[in-house]
Amino acid sequence: SAVISQKPSRDICQRGTSLTIQCQVDSQVTMMFWYRQQPGQSLTLIATANQGSEATYESGFVIDKFPISRPNLTFSTLTVSNMSPEDSSIYLCSVEWGAYNEQFFGPGTRLTVL
Amino acid sequence: AQTVTQSQPEMSVQEAETVTLSCTYDTSESDYYLFWYKQPPSRQMILVIRQEAYKQQNATENRFSVNFQKAAKSFSLKISDSQLGDAAMYFCAYRRGSNYKLTFGKGTLLTVNP
Repeated sequence: SAVISQKPSRDICQRGTSLTIQCQVDSQVTMMFWYRQQPGQSLTLIATANQGSEATYESGFVIDKFPISRPNLTFSTLTVSNMSPEDSSIYLCSVEWGAYNEQFFGPGTRLTVL
Repeated sequence: AQTVTQSQPEMSVQEAETVTLSCTYDTSESDYYLFWYKQPPSRQMILVIRQEAYKQQNATENRFSVNFQKAAKSFSLKISDSQLGDAAMYFCAYRRGSNYKLTFGKGTLLTVNP
């Protein structure tokens, strides 16, 4: 499987600020995904990021709040903008890999907003 | 819209025993994939097993196997010879064949008792 890293692993932020989360893959991949996992909940897809095109956002998520960059085939960033305590979650990136396009996940970023 | 239901919020099993986690899904598609992911306290999402809908044979990966009942839209995970390291949250997930979005169930928290 692809090896995926995320930075930072965790952060505590103040209300109204922004945080950029980085996702790095050790192989070139076409599809990258960003998920949110609120405390005690399942994973919800925020957006799909393809290299060279605009990210595709799921219902309930907007670009102004969660801008995404995908500058090349091994890297992506997710910014959580103008944060509020409701944004406290684990944010995970994933990539498609292998013959069956399985999704493999990074270790996640635990965000706490005060 | 596709939905994935895990009706067991929590399960427990004795070490070395067998446990089955339930999952049902709703779809009108004929081409799709089903997955089980494991999320230990480290929060890393780990792919456990994959099942293609077009395959009648149930998938098996070492101590993990599935019971795929396509007509009943049921996809249960059996863990044999449970180990302490199996303790985790287990998520069932669905992916439409031609669409790369994963839809997750709410998860089942598995406790393994020594």
